[in-house]
Amino acid sequence: ETGVTQTPRHLVMGMTNKKSLKCEQHLGHNAMYWYKQSAKKPLELMFVYNFKEQTENNSVPSRFSPECPNSSHLFLHLHTLQPEDSALYLCASSQDPGAGSPLHFGNGTRLTVT
Amino acid sequence: ELKVEQNPLFLSMQEGKNYTIYCNYSTTSDRLYWYRQDPGKSLESLFVLLSNGAVKQEGRLMASLDTKARLSTLHITAAVHDLSATYFCAVATTPSYGKLTFGQGTILTVHP
Repeated sequence: ETGVTQTPRHLVMGMTNKKSLKCEQHLGHNAMYWYKQSAKKPLELMFVYNFKEQTENNSVPSRFSPECPNSSHLFLHLHTLQPEDSALYLCASSQDPGAGSPLHFGNGTRLTVT
Repeated sequence: ELKVEQNPLFLSMQEGKNYTIYCNYSTTSDRLYWYRQDPGKSLESLFVLLSNGAVKQEGRLMASLDTKARLSTLHITAAVHDLSATYFCAVATTPSYGKLTFGQGTILTVHP
């Protein structure tokens, strides 16, 4: 039980599909994140939301579209993805990153783009 | 651009031995984090180091931070098989404390 729940755990989609990844945190944290973990590459920050406001967009292609309707939920909408987008997508939350609070990660969604 | 480099990237140890994983970073920072990831699992926070000279210990693991050298170490004492995992360091810089930059990870395997 990590306190950060991601669904689905696995997703296979074609390049023309539209799908969404969902993340929910039960920790009362104020900041939420999307990270991408690819084989043989460091974790890459994609987006940061603080109090529902996007504060970081790490030059992510527009085929990835985040949505944060409230402090507990975070979505990543996917459309017209490429095979190189296949990766593990990790959601995380933090109580107060400015005070040094660590990130709490979900179990991730394993995405395969065919 | 902040760069974070870990070494070694692969570490094979015998049980009972000691070893150190190094994390170097390229820009001034006083925020460093260590995480552990087991295969197929999520990342788990191990240590938060928030000042120069900070030292934290938990069981057989001890982490330290030298901000002047831009270096953190994760020392493993008397390794046991349960420590086998991938270990990541991550650095945050002002003013974007919410933006962590991760190292490549060190895959640790502890053999009997």
